Amino acid sequence: DTGVSQNPRHKITKRGQNVTFRCDPISEHNRLYWYRQTLGQGPEFLTYFQNEAQLEKSRLLSDRFSAERPKGSFSTLEIQRTEQGDSAMYLCATSSGSGTAAYEQYFGPGTRLTVT
Amino acid sequence: DQQVKQNSPSLSVQEGRISILNCDYTNSMFDYFLWYKKYPAEGPTFLISISSIKDKNEDGRFTVFLNKSAKHLSLHIVPSQPGDSAVYFCAASATAEYGNKLVFGAGTILRVKS
Repeated sequence: DTGVSQNPRHKITKRGQNVTFRCDPISEHNRLYWYRQTLGQGPEFLTYFQNEAQLEKSRLLSDRFSAERPKGSFSTLEIQRTEQGDSAMYLCATSSGSGTAAYEQYFGPGTRLTVT
Repeated sequence: DQQVKQNSPSLSVQEGRISILNCDYTNSMFDYFLWYKKYPAEGPTFLISISSIKDKNEDGRFTVFLNKSAKHLSLHIVPSQPGDSAVYFCAASATAEYGNKLVFGAGTILRVKS
């Protein structure tokens, strides 16, 4: 078990382009979360999957954002028509589904997005 | 609407002494609290947690205290070591309202001087 992995680690894109990030969870974890972190702030919740079902989306997740988790394994987060305000660190976290362990989320290293 | 607040942006402590990081929350529905540590260019690392039915949880050098009436929790690190220098985030979860998603504070930068 190598922990949560995210790719790419860094992405620079021009305004208006589409970008896609990938998260590979800890293998036995069935819950997967996406967060966004900007400078000087803590991570902010974006969306959450239980297996392949997307159960909750934040108001922060505009129509330009879409996330998937086919087959309940890896997840992708796509941002269409990127804007400079999308520049941030995008973090993926996973947890197991039972008891207090469900609260303890394990984070990947993040993907830093810069929109120019 | 900041539901989790860490009012000290930074803290500097001498090696071997105690570090105390504080966190306040406003949502009485929060029932589980966690502390994460973050080094530059890495994701947050889970450190220690506490359920709202407890007032203290200890793990080695780290102890978290919860005061529900004051809506306040704190993380004590004893003794502090230079490797503890990092950003510390307090996080809270309210199962009934939000499922298991975490609400984070803005973080406190801890510097341990040798």
